[in-house]
Amino acid sequence: GAGVSQSPSNKVTEKGKDVELRCDPISGHTALYWYRQSLGQGLEFLIYFQGNSAPDKSGLPSDRFSAERTGGSVSTLTIQRTQQEDSAVYLCASSTSGSVVEQFFGPGTRLTVL
Amino acid sequence: GQNIDQPTEMTATEGAIVQINCTYQTSGFNGLFWYQQHAGEAPTFLSYNVLDGLEEKGRFSSFLSRSKGYSYLLLKELQMKDSASYLCAVRDWGSGNTGKLIFGQGTTLQVKP
Repeated sequence: GAGVSQSPSNKVTEKGKDVELRCDPISGHTALYWYRQSLGQGLEFLIYFQGNSAPDKSGLPSDRFSAERTGGSVSTLTIQRTQQEDSAVYLCASSTSGSVVEQFFGPGTRLTVL
Repeated sequence: GQNIDQPTEMTATEGAIVQINCTYQTSGFNGLFWYQQHAGEAPTFLSYNVLDGLEEKGRFSSFLSRSKGYSYLLLKELQMKDSASYLCAVRDWGSGNTGKLIFGQGTTLQVKP
């Protein structure tokens, strides 16, 4: 596809369940970022992948959050034992490298934890 | 610490000019970005400043003063479709070139006829 894609677009889950969110970056983009946006708030950085380097996990809010990127392309963000405060829109972005100006954002996954 | 401040809401009239300010305090600095986000949509890139001064792109301009930790986004000839949230973000130069962006809360701009 032409842009960053994310799935699912919406996810409703029960408190305590695990969820997986997927991001397909733009082909050829080596840098991939995950952000979280709570209602009416700005974007909160979660994690950053750049090529084969160790990911920057400094934004992950707790050890219930983890992410991986397989083959330098698709990434999965996993939230274990979800809590109501995890409800937010999770946005993925990619760029051609960590130092490039523009990050291209996907449409996001809206997560609702009941 | 890291802090990025911008007004929460602004209202302007169609055809007018509006300036959205952003001040920042970060441990490092490697560029300031402005993104536009319509309700329910992903942010889209508007502008980037890394050196002091004004960058102009059509109806949109962005200014940066690194010594003052200050930027503004200037929107001219406002159109109804400019009603959106405008996000100020700083690329914080931490240990290594991580490229991560620190975002402000966003400014919701409402353009009225």
